[in-house]
Amino acid sequence: DIQMTQSPSSLSASVGDRVTITCRASQAVRNSLAWFQQKPGTAPKLLLYDVSNLQNGVPSRFSGSGSGTDFTLTITSLRPEDFATYYCQHYSNFPPTFGQGTTVEV
Amino acid sequence: EAELEESGGGLVQSGGSLRLSCTASGFPLNNYNMNWVRQTPGKGLEWLAYVNFNGRTIKYADSVRGRFSISRDNAKNSVFLQMNSLRNDDSAMYYCVREGTITSRMDVWGQGTTVTVSS
Repeated sequence: DIQMTQSPSSLSASVGDRVTITCRASQAVRNSLAWFQQKPGTAPKLLLYDVSNLQNGVPSRFSGSGSGTDFTLTITSLRPEDFATYYCQHYSNFPPTFGQGTTVEV
Repeated sequence: EAELEESGGGLVQSGGSLRLSCTASGFPLNNYNMNWVRQTPGKGLEWLAYVNFNGRTIKYADSVRGRFSISRDNAKNSVFLQMNSLRNDDSAMYYCVREGTITSRMDVWGQGTTVTVSS
């Protein structure tokens, strides 16, 4: 199975900050990489897929980059509603696996 | 708007069984591959099972193969997860998840149903 490792596990930020979360795969996943946002008591929400494609309705302050095994989620100008936990996930083969999550907190 | 609604969770004794259901609305279920994913505080998000659009291709995670069974009834807009030989570590929030048509992204998630296994 491909292991997905996110860093950091948590970070403190303020409204207006630029936030970067990294995700490393134990082997290459091509461009089959997604990012999710999850708020307490709700299901994960797809933000980006195929590394850098924004899901419909997701604000453009979210962006993704990377290739092979190393990927990045960037949030430019953090807004209050962005405080949440973020997960990366590969879907290049079975089983799809998720990172352990990065919590963005005040 | 595409929506998924899970049901069937609850409290069950170790060794028991539960059948989860997922009802789709707002999109033609028969065009989409579907998954079940669970989440626990300790293990995070874990993919469990996949069924393709016509039910002919099924995949399982090692942790549930032989105990869980995924199926679908497109005529009833439903996907199911039969869970047998439940263990304490199967306690989790279970999500039904749609896979996108062009890439295998998990683009629509249900609200989840909670399964608690007691010993």
